[in-house]
Amino acid sequence: DVKVTQSSRYLVKRTGEKVFLECVQDMDHENMFWYRQDPGLGLRLIYFSYDVKMKEKGDIPEGYSVSREKKERFSLILESASTNQTSMYLCASSTLGIATYEQYFGPGTRLTVT
Amino acid sequence: AQSVTQPDIHITVSEGASLELRCNYSYGATPYLFWYVQSPGQGLQLLLKYFSGDTLVQGIKGFEAEFKRSQSSFNLRKPSVHWSDAAEYFCAVGAKSGGSNYKLTFGKGTLLTVNP
Repeated sequence: DVKVTQSSRYLVKRTGEKVFLECVQDMDHENMFWYRQDPGLGLRLIYFSYDVKMKEKGDIPEGYSVSREKKERFSLILESASTNQTSMYLCASSTLGIATYEQYFGPGTRLTVT
Repeated sequence: AQSVTQPDIHITVSEGASLELRCNYSYGATPYLFWYVQSPGQGLQLLLKYFSGDTLVQGIKGFEAEFKRSQSSFNLRKPSVHWSDAAEYFCAVGAKSGGSNYKLTFGKGTLLTVNP
């Protein structure tokens, strides 16, 4: 089975801190994604990566950056956390082409910024 | 740009009753359509998908969905709901978004509560 793991299930950080969210997949998938999930807003794409060191902005990239140094690992970085970044963050992975739509998700990290 | 509307934010059904969750999409070409499910405390899991061909597609856990082009709909159904089906359900549409990017756009979700 495909497994996508996220480094923390719950995280509490202070305003202004630098925050790292880590995601690892074990299926040699080329694509990896970071989404943000908020009640009433569904899932919104922050960034995605289709190869090592390659990244593309999603719908809401402001305030975030990403890093993909190894194929299996994709990190989301909040350079200076703010309270409006309190949310559930979901990582996903997939293979290329049309299979991009068949995404495998991690359990999520619930981040609270105080 | 593509979009997905799930008109029902929250639905409550009794265990054993039938279920239909509504999904409408907007996309200029033939869409690729998906339903994902998110159980409490879990990530999303793909339930079923429609790419082409038969407009009635079967998925996991006894779910099915029907693509109706004339209504721009892709409603999810299950004949008899089990308590374990309580979850949030997301409809999604896939479309190429510039170059070779394949973008998945999600609806806002429908929360399903199952009463015993």
